[in-house]
Amino acid sequence: GAVVSQHPSWVICKSGTSVKIECRSLDFQATTMFWYRQFPKQSLMLMATSNEGSKATYEQGVEKDKFLINHASLTLSTLTVTSAHPEDSSFYICSAQDRGRSNEQYFGPGTRLTVT
Amino acid sequence: DAKTTQPNSMESNEEEPVHLPCNHSTISGTDYIHWYRQLPSQGPEYVIHGLTSNVNNRMASLAIAEDRKSSTLILHRATLRDAAVYYCILRPHGTASKLTFGTGTRLQVTL
Repeated sequence: GAVVSQHPSWVICKSGTSVKIECRSLDFQATTMFWYRQFPKQSLMLMATSNEGSKATYEQGVEKDKFLINHASLTLSTLTVTSAHPEDSSFYICSAQDRGRSNEQYFGPGTRLTVT
Repeated sequence: DAKTTQPNSMESNEEEPVHLPCNHSTISGTDYIHWYRQLPSQGPEYVIHGLTSNVNNRMASLAIAEDRKSSTLILHRATLRDAAVYYCILRPHGTASKLTFGTGTRLQVTL
């Protein structure tokens, strides 16, 4: 089956620093990847759509200068949380769309970010 | 986006079948019905999807009402590992469309 990985699986950083999270599609090419955020006991909320070779599309209310997305290859998208603050602590999940499987989306295992 | 309605939670005994309902009365003709589940501290996992006909795979079965305004995810024999939040999501066919997650149904499985 389609496999999506994320790195790191968890990270702790100090307030004011930046953190980069990687999302990779391991056995398929993904022209489109998505980034979600999930707070405790809540559902997933889409942050942005990442398209290979073009700018990401951000959902309303998501600051594009704070959450930088780069999709430089067909198998890798990165999310950088800049100047992180404790309220950015959350579970960040990516998904990758597989055109070879009817555009089905496959999710990564998630990255837990804690900002102290 | 077309909206889905699911019960907040359900309980099941292990080894018994589980029927997870989903209402989607505003579904359009091009919307596929997708089911994902999310185990604790993990990303969502694809379960099954369908358009009009009932579907079966190794994980579950999907029964779709004739008018498509509701569907039911069937786990034939629940195990403790099936305890998760199950999301029913509508998605237009053939597009790079985003998934909009509702609150889902939290399934508890007991011995």
